[in-house]
Amino acid sequence: DAGVIQSPRHEVTEMGQEVTLRCKPISGHDYLFWYRQTMMRGLELLIYFNNNVPIDDSGMPEDRFSAKMPNASFSTLKIQPSEPRDSAVYFCASTQDRQNTEAFFGQGTRLTVV
Amino acid sequence: DAKTTQPNSMESNEEEPVHLPCNHSTISGTDYIHWYRQLPSQGPEYVIHGLTSNVNNRMASLAIAEDRKSSTLILHRATLRDAAVYYCILRDDNNDMRFGAGTRLTVKP
Repeated sequence: DAGVIQSPRHEVTEMGQEVTLRCKPISGHDYLFWYRQTMMRGLELLIYFNNNVPIDDSGMPEDRFSAKMPNASFSTLKIQPSEPRDSAVYFCASTQDRQNTEAFFGQGTRLTVV
Repeated sequence: DAKTTQPNSMESNEEEPVHLPCNHSTISGTDYIHWYRQLPSQGPEYVIHGLTSNVNNRMASLAIAEDRKSSTLILHRATLRDAAVYYCILRDDNNDMRFGAGTRLTVKP
């Protein structure tokens, strides 16, 4: 397996534009997590899914952020409209449905909103 | 909010052992203790995990206190490539995975 795949790796967009980040989890993994990382706030859990169903979205900062998982092999994180303070590295991770298994992270998407 | 407490930073000399502590006083009986590390410009990567007993793998060892309120990640011989931010997290039976600030390990040659 190629691991967790995120796209794009880098995104530069203008304030007010819609941004969509994509994630392909490892095949067979039941859980998918979205994180945001900044120097100020560290690695924040935004939302996570189990079997394509959102379990906890309490970390989603505001209504401008939305996440979907239409099937087991694909998830999106959308920001509309984007703001400069959304600039961060966004990570996706996946894991099996057991606490004693490791989670695998993607390489991240570096988002810059100007 | 993260349920673990770690020192902000630690230093080590190359080829010496490193003990990275983590406090998790509110741990519940079903929480697993996981350690991840994040190398510069990369996503976090798994290091080790445990429930009650000490654990060893090719990367590190994990020592878990008898009351499970703390644990220590042990790197037996630190190398320059071990310089990273190390995160200790608790994984509950909902598979929630929240990260704290971690410990930034600096390895001096």
